[in-house]
Amino acid sequence: QQQVKQSPQSLIVQKGGISIINCAYENTAFDYFPWYQQFPGKGPALLIAIRPDVSEKKEGRFTISFNKSAKQFSLHIMDSQPGDSATYFCAASGNTPLVFGKGTRLSVIA
Amino acid sequence: DTGVSQDPRHKITKRGQNVTFRCDPISEHNRLYWYRQTLGQGPEFLTYFQNEAQLEKSRLLSDRFSAERPKGSFSTLEIQRTEQGDSAMYLCASSLARQGEKLFFGSGTQLSVL
Repeated sequence: QQQVKQSPQSLIVQKGGISIINCAYENTAFDYFPWYQQFPGKGPALLIAIRPDVSEKKEGRFTISFNKSAKQFSLHIMDSQPGDSATYFCAASGNTPLVFGKGTRLSVIA
Repeated sequence: DTGVSQDPRHKITKRGQNVTFRCDPISEHNRLYWYRQTLGQGPEFLTYFQNEAQLEKSRLLSDRFSAERPKGSFSTLEIQRTEQGDSAMYLCASSLARQGEKLFFGSGTQLSVL
């Protein structure tokens, strides 16, 4: 049973556009929601994370929006750049090891 | 480089052979995790340690898999009698116990079982 459902599987965005990736979860015990970025041949790297006491967190061009009642959260990448082309994973935990979504492969084209 | 280090980066083995991977975490991190990632999927949790103690094992971890962290520093993951289905990227991550969810991953060991 997949605990974190991520969509879309892949995404193509024009340079300068906004990339949006969505995640949904079922377990209400989850209280930590990070996004990881992974380049080919590398391990995932923490990008940004949020806890359910806030509805939005912004770090540079990256924003997490969190909707506790809908049990959904999303990653927005503003002014997307070719260097952002990577696979993005949402994840969740609640005093348990992180569980990851299946990933979104983002391609930013010039 | 003070990041998480994994060795080897790649391992090709024949079905039925045993393999062992090593992970050196960030030095001050007392938690160490093993995850497995297959193509097109997110990392799947296998097991984790706090210091020397193995605190949790996933049901994914069959009896052929064993992990150790003997002195609370580096860890090894051994797979006995490898099967083709074991082919995957094996990722190690570490964290501080007080920031348990903030995982720092290594670059992984890519295992191919022929």
